[in-house]
Parts: sequence; C-alpha cells; structure tokens
Amino acid sequence: EVQLVESGGGLVQPGGSLRLSCAASGFSFSGYDMHWVRQVTGKRLEWVSGITNTADTYYSGSVKGRFTISRENARNSLYLQMNSLRVEDTGLYYCAREKMTGVFDYWGQGTLVTVSS
Amino acid sequence: DIQMTQSPSTLSASVGDRVTITCRASQSISTFLAWYQQKPGKAPNLLIYKASTLQSRVPSRFSGSGSGTEFTLTISNLQPDDFATYYCQQYDTYLYSFGQGTKLEIK
Repeated sequence: EVQLVESGGGLVQPGGSLRLSCAASGFSFSGYDMHWVRQVTGKRLEWVSGITNTADTYYSGSVKGRFTISRENARNSLYLQMNSLRVEDTGLYYCAREKMTGVFDYWGQGTLVTVSS
Repeated sequence: DIQMTQSPSTLSASVGDRVTITCRASQSISTFLAWYQQKPGKAPNLLIYKASTLQSRVPSRFSGSGSGTEFTLTISNLQPDDFATYYCQQYDTYLYSFGQGTKLEIK
C-alpha cells in the first residue's frame, strides 16, 4: 500500500525557517517524481515545488529562492527546506506522488505550517 | 501563469441527481486537465486525468470532457459519498495550477 507521511510543520515567526519531511513507503520511491502542494485558508490548492526522479527541481514563483526541495532515495524521503517564511506561506503542506507529468495520484495527510508573530 | 476558474462555487443537489461542474482555463491547455475530490479533513483524491480518463477504482458515474479552455466534470446518479469539494488542475505547464473548488452540498 502506498503511504506518504509528512512531518515537520509547526508555528514559526515571519522570517523563520522550517524543514518538512515526507516518508514514503509501498512503492519504488526512487522511480517517481515527487511534489509539495499546499492548501491555504482551508480551500485553494497551490502547487509549491517538484523534484524529478533524477533530482531536477521546479518551484512556483511565490517560493522560488526561499524554498528548496530535495530527496534522499536511500531513506525513501522527500524534503522541503523553507526559509524566509512569510505569513502567506501559512497552510497545510501535502506531499504528493506524480503518476504522470503533473498528475498526482497519491497524497499524504499533510503537515500544518503556521507563520505568525 | 494559467488561471483556472470553476463554476459554480457551490452546488446543491439530491441523491440520484446528475450534476455538472465547469472549469475554464485562461489559455488553451489541450487536455492536460485533472479532477480531484476532497472530503473534509482528507487529502485530495484523483478522479480523472487527461480531461476524460478515469483513474482506477473511481466509479463510472464520474466522467470528464473538454479540451482547450473549457472542461466539465459530470457526476451521474449522485451517491451520499459524492458530497465533497471538487478541484480541477491544469498540468499543461510546469507552474501547475488549481481551480478554486466547487463544494457539492446535499439539498
């Protein structure tokens, strides 16, 4: 069974940093592109970042230069290093597996990030 | 960036009804469109991709159509389990984007 389990969320002040993790199991992690998608204000979904199985990385304009996505295939893990956090980065961050380019067939349950003073 | 707009934002219907949700893209995306269902407190669940291809184990009462800039998700014979929020998503360009969601409520 495919499982994705996020961790690392929490409360942080504006300008602070957090590192999110996603532990994958039940599939051959190294063979899949992976992504982070966030849900803000309990509604709208926003794609944040993606990493291919060959470690090419992609970012949305709103996080480029502040967030870094990475993966560790030996540990079946995906990461998101978030620096210079802003209030508008608050949301539920999901880890998602890519079925085919741009289509997400498995999602974790999310980890909540709150940026507030 | 490609903007995705769904209508309506909220839809009230009864069990057994047939409903249609529309999604419009700000520019042509061919058929690079997916639909997801999300229930409260849960992650989104993939229903349809390539505008009309049903994901495995998704009931056949769900169907999708469209190409270019206009797409529809149709649910026939609504079941109690179908009352949820639905999102469209374009994947024509790497800056993937989602619609704002359509909440399907019980009438």
